[in-house]
Amino acid sequence: EPEVTQTPSHQVTQMGQEVILRCVPISNHLYFYWYRQILGQKVEFLVSFYNNEISEKSEIFDDQFSVERPDGSNFTLKIRSTKLEDSAMYFCASSDGGHQPQHFGDGTRLSIL
Amino acid sequence: EDKVVQSPLSLVVHEGDTVTLNCSYEVTNFRSLLWYKQEKKAPTFLFMLTSSGIEKKSGRLSSILDKKELFSILNITATQTGDSAIYLCAVGVYGGATNKLIFGTGTLLAVQP
Repeated sequence: EPEVTQTPSHQVTQMGQEVILRCVPISNHLYFYWYRQILGQKVEFLVSFYNNEISEKSEIFDDQFSVERPDGSNFTLKIRSTKLEDSAMYFCASSDGGHQPQHFGDGTRLSIL
Repeated sequence: EDKVVQSPLSLVVHEGDTVTLNCSYEVTNFRSLLWYKQEKKAPTFLFMLTSSGIEKKSGRLSSILDKKELFSILNITATQTGDSAIYLCAVGVYGGATNKLIFGTGTLLAVQP
């Protein structure tokens, strides 16, 4: 069954450094999403992306965050200058319609030191 | 503020038992309600519900939505140890071309042999 692939599975980085989280959505999907889950808390929406632009973003998704679809298969989340509170599990998801079920990857655990 | 509440937070049952998991919500611009199963990493899609009173069924799992009372239930009959997981309820909210998902805290289900 097709699946969403995320790399790396675990990323450790120093506070203030830039980090890029990578995702390969399901191949025929056109709608992409990032969510995060801080340890012990709910999964939270960050951003949705369609037709090469952001469709919606949350208050969490400030100027330090950006997303990009650099080619036909990858979808990335960049955090420009990481903070301790960015430590979380980051999930990528994709769907084949804007109102269709979203399918999630295994996540990247980001640890900021 | 959009809110999704799941109950119970955790549940321990024995193999063969039937369980009912609850999800209530208060959101603006409701589009759909989704159930996911999270075992180790990726939330795995189970059901998407958009209409009241229509039961969705997959094997031993079933779910139904009540849009008047703003809740959904997920039933699992004849539970097996492989059903042990966190069950996440998420509500899809209109956001232009895409839906963002608002998640509950999840119900941790442990099925003992």
